[in-house]
Amino acid sequence: GAVVSQHPSWVICKSGTSVKIECRSLDFQATTMFWYRQFPKQSLMLMATSNEGSKATYEQGVEKDKFLINHASLTLSTLTVTSAHPEDSSFYICSAENRDNEQFFGPGTRLTVL
Amino acid sequence: AQKITQTQPGMFVQEKEAVTLDCTYDTSDPSYGLFWYKQPSSGEMIFLIYQGSYDQQNATEGRYSLNFQKARKSANLVISASQLGDSAMYFCAMRGLNTGGFKTIFGAGTRLFVKA
Repeated sequence: GAVVSQHPSWVICKSGTSVKIECRSLDFQATTMFWYRQFPKQSLMLMATSNEGSKATYEQGVEKDKFLINHASLTLSTLTVTSAHPEDSSFYICSAENRDNEQFFGPGTRLTVL
Repeated sequence: AQKITQTQPGMFVQEKEAVTLDCTYDTSDPSYGLFWYKQPSSGEMIFLIYQGSYDQQNATEGRYSLNFQKARKSANLVISASQLGDSAMYFCAMRGLNTGGFKTIFGAGTRLFVKA
């Protein structure tokens, strides 16, 4: 089956620093990738939709200047949390969509901001 | 607007028995897909089963079956012969065509506890 990886799987950073999370589709080309955030004991909330070669579409309430998304190739999208604060601590999950509109999830990245 | 509702925050089931996890949805899209995912404590999202809105028959995948009632807008997951390893969070999700492309939205989830 299709495999999506995320790196790192977990990260701890100091408040005020920026953190980059990578999402890669390993065996297929993903024209669209999605970024979700999941707080403890809550559901996945869609943050943004990332299309290769174009600007990401952010969901209402998500700060695009804080959560920078780059989808530079058909196999890689990155999410950068800029000037992270403790309230940004969360589980970030990406998913990638293939040409048949099937969606595959990455294993997630747990971010802890001290 | 699309919405997914899971009204059961937690469910208990005895090992080897069947359990039904409820899911209702709302959408104006004529074409959509319904999914169930399992999320163990590790956090990964494990795809379980899919039902298309135009599928005539209820989907089945091994011990998982989806009780799809289109008129009632419900898509309940039935797990037969529960196993201890089934203890996890379960999310119902819906995917439909919105402005700007496909999006998947998730319900609040149901935590399933399987008792030995």
